[in-house]
Amino acid sequence: DTGVSQNPRHKITKRGQNVTFRCDPISEHNRLYWYRQTLGQGPEFLTYFQNEAQLEKSRLLSDRFSAERPKGSFSTLEIQRTEQGDSAMYLCASSLGQGGNSPLHFGNGTRLTVT
Amino acid sequence: RKEVEQDPGPFNVPEGATVAFNCTYSNSASQSFFWYRQDCRKEPKLLMSVYSSGNEDGRFTAQLNRASQYISLLIRDSKLSDSATYLCAVMDSSYKLIFGSGTRLLVRP
Repeated sequence: DTGVSQNPRHKITKRGQNVTFRCDPISEHNRLYWYRQTLGQGPEFLTYFQNEAQLEKSRLLSDRFSAERPKGSFSTLEIQRTEQGDSAMYLCASSLGQGGNSPLHFGNGTRLTVT
Repeated sequence: RKEVEQDPGPFNVPEGATVAFNCTYSNSASQSFFWYRQDCRKEPKLLMSVYSSGNEDGRFTAQLNRASQYISLLIRDSKLSDSATYLCAVMDSSYKLIFGSGTRLLVRP
């Protein structure tokens, strides 16, 4: 399977703990995106990378969230001192990055539950 | 006002019906437009891109009206398997997709 891969699929953590998620994009894609989705809402943009450069971060992304893409391949999203409001599906997507006509292809997400 | 707005539905239609969804967007500089399908507790999957001249893929037709800033999706001859949430997505000038909240479709036998 050469699609976008995310792990873990599910993560349950206690409030205050740190969690880290990993995303492996489609291999030839140079853009990588992180989104968050809660029930009844569409995916909400968090941040994105062009190769290893983080080009944009949503103002919704608090200082507790950090993302990296060290070699322009896989990416990690870390949430420090988790709060119950962080419970959501975290989606990673990648695209070829050919101007504005490249659709995003999503991984199957990491579902985070903060207790 | 949200950047991308959709009627949440649900649209409840019988098999074989034709159903249409609209989506409005607020940023006139938006570059590209897409429809995604999302099944319950799954990731969004690309259904189709939306081109200025309109485009068709089997039973699905997408149209774009830049002057009025809306896109539409028409599904003909609905199947039970079309039941899902349909997400409208608009790419802004910084190449990120902004999604609507989705329109839920239920196709009944």
